[in-house]
Amino acid sequence: EAGVVQSPRYKIIEKKQPVAFWCNPISGHNTLYWYLQNLGQGPELLIRYENEEAVDDSQLPKDRFSAERLKGVDSTLKIQPAELGDSAVYLCASSPAGAKNTEAFFGQGTRLTVV
Amino acid sequence: AQKITQTQPGMFVQEKEAVTLDCTYDTSDPSYGLFWYKQPSSGEMIFLIYQGSYDQQNATEGRYSLNFQKARKSANLVISASQLGDSAMYFCAMRDLVGQFYFGTGTSLTVIP
Repeated sequence: EAGVVQSPRYKIIEKKQPVAFWCNPISGHNTLYWYLQNLGQGPELLIRYENEEAVDDSQLPKDRFSAERLKGVDSTLKIQPAELGDSAVYLCASSPAGAKNTEAFFGQGTRLTVV
Repeated sequence: AQKITQTQPGMFVQEKEAVTLDCTYDTSDPSYGLFWYKQPSSGEMIFLIYQGSYDQQNATEGRYSLNFQKARKSANLVISASQLGDSAMYFCAMRDLVGQFYFGTGTSLTVIP
């Protein structure tokens, strides 16, 4: 079974430029998460989807960040314009809905460097 | 309010010895799940072990065991017979009723040969 796939693995952009990250969750997983992980810190939730609905985006900086999950499968996270402080690892995870005893499955992450 | 607290930024352990990584959590939900993940330097998050809030027995998975003390709201990870490959960041996490995961700040474990 394929795991959570993220692309690209690495991205270097200049500040004020736009950037987009893509995530393909595990087949059948209704819940999809985007996390931000700063160096030496734990993952922090940006947005959580149940199917195509964003059920928690309270931590998403909506002035520059946006996300979508068309058809309740793949998801894209966008930053426009990027700032130096956005340099971090962006993790996508998925999980079956309603299964509190099931772990979140993580992708390899996208390491963003803004210069 | 912080949901997950890991108070040990870094830990060292001698190879083949056991080590305990601390985790406390805060929730008023009657039902929740507790998880531990390992994150090597390569960056992937590897699931290690799960404990349900209603589970009577402590969870075990090979060399990993979870010391669950519900009244104290603690869920410490015990790694027995440490190996060099255990050197990594370890994150404690809690899943709430609606499926939200909360992570601690992590503990960096270094296994000394």
